[in-house]
Amino acid sequence: KQEVTQIPAALSVPEGENLVLNCSFTDSAIYNLQWFRQDPGKGLTSLLLIQSSQREQTSGRLNASLDKSSGRSTLYIAASQPGDSATYLCAVMDSSYKLIFGSGTRLLVRP
Amino acid sequence: DARVTQTPRDKVTEMGQEVTMRCQPILGHNTVFWYRQTMMQGLELLAYFRNRAPLDDSGMPKDRFSAEMPDATLATLKIQPSEPRDSAVYFCASAPPGQGQETQYFGPGTRLLVL
Repeated sequence: KQEVTQIPAALSVPEGENLVLNCSFTDSAIYNLQWFRQDPGKGLTSLLLIQSSQREQTSGRLNASLDKSSGRSTLYIAASQPGDSATYLCAVMDSSYKLIFGSGTRLLVRP
Repeated sequence: DARVTQTPRDKVTEMGQEVTMRCQPILGHNTVFWYRQTMMQGLELLAYFRNRAPLDDSGMPKDRFSAEMPDATLATLKIQPSEPRDSAVYFCASAPPGQGQETQYFGPGTRLLVL
């Protein structure tokens, strides 16, 4: 059974810092891996989607990497801003096209 | 801009009552998902439909939950009878036609509290 783990569970950093969020998964048979952002009381917004054949994706200050063989992904946020404060969720799409989510990393960027 | 809508946004009910949650997927999307989010379990897939046909509802308690798509613009999730352990945020998501790997677009959720 696929399990997705995210470390750390919570992170507080001063504005301007570069930071890395980690995601690991137990079964490497995935179609893709996605990073989502969730603001309090809101739904999820897709940030980056990495296909299983890809190594990384970039969007603005965000860069996500995927190492399928080791079951790991990282989300790198450059020059963090208070507006980046949210919960970041990692999800893998398994062989039956279902998304399996991690429990999230709650990020606070202090002004 | 196109987005998934869900109603109601908040629902408080008493144990034993019927609860119906509605979702309008993005126009043109043919796959609809229902998820439940709790502090203890995180986000879990309950059921999903493609072209209005149920493909998988293995995550859903069958005795009290039911999901339907009466038409392409409406998906419903019903709980009857509701129990306090059903308290959670229920999200609907939709995805465009493709090979099944497309990005899912999430609605704002229905926050359910069963007393």
